Amino acid sequence: DVKVTQSSRYLVKRTGEKVFLECVQDMDHENMFWYRQDPGLGLRLIYFSYDVKMKEKGDIPEGYSVSREKKERFSLILESASTNQTSMYLCASSPLSYFTDTQYFGPGTRLTVL
Amino acid sequence: DAKTTQPTSMDCAEGRAANLPCNHSTISGNEYVYWYRQIHSQGPQYIIHGLKNNETNEMASLIITEDRKSSTLILPHATLRDTAVYYCIVRVGGGSEKLVFGKGTKLTVNP
Repeated sequence: DVKVTQSSRYLVKRTGEKVFLECVQDMDHENMFWYRQDPGLGLRLIYFSYDVKMKEKGDIPEGYSVSREKKERFSLILESASTNQTSMYLCASSPLSYFTDTQYFGPGTRLTVL
Repeated sequence: DAKTTQPTSMDCAEGRAANLPCNHSTISGNEYVYWYRQIHSQGPQYIIHGLKNNETNEMASLIITEDRKSSTLILPHATLRDTAVYYCIVRVGGGSEKLVFGKGTKLTVNP
């Protein structure tokens, strides 16, 4: 079974703090993604990575950065947390395949910024 | 991604089959049909996908019409734990594109 784990299920931070969200997958997948999910807005892609040290901006990268130093780990960094970054953060991974790109998700981190 | 249409909500009795429909009349020849679900406050979970042929795995069956304009996800013996929002997505296989979920179908399994 594919396993994607995220460092925290719930996190509470203060405005201006630097926040690190960690994601680890154990299936040797090339692609990794960070989304946020908000009521009424669905899934929105923040960043994705298709290889170690490679990253691509998604639809809403402002206020975020990412790091992928190892294939299995993809970190999302909120440089200076703000209240509008209160959200559910979802990490996903998928294999590099011509025929399919099934994405497997972690359990999510519900971040509250006060 | 091609647009999909799903009912907003459905109910099913525990132990019965749940049949969730999806219309995708503009699907292209190289687009797959994927199903995911999301239980409240959890990450989305992949269920099944297919191109032309019907597919079955340990979770569900996927029936795709011959013209590929619609499909049905079947949960053969629904349990209370199957209560979730179910998303039908069509997308080209391969690559590393983002997932776009529509509104999905809220399935409630009743005791």
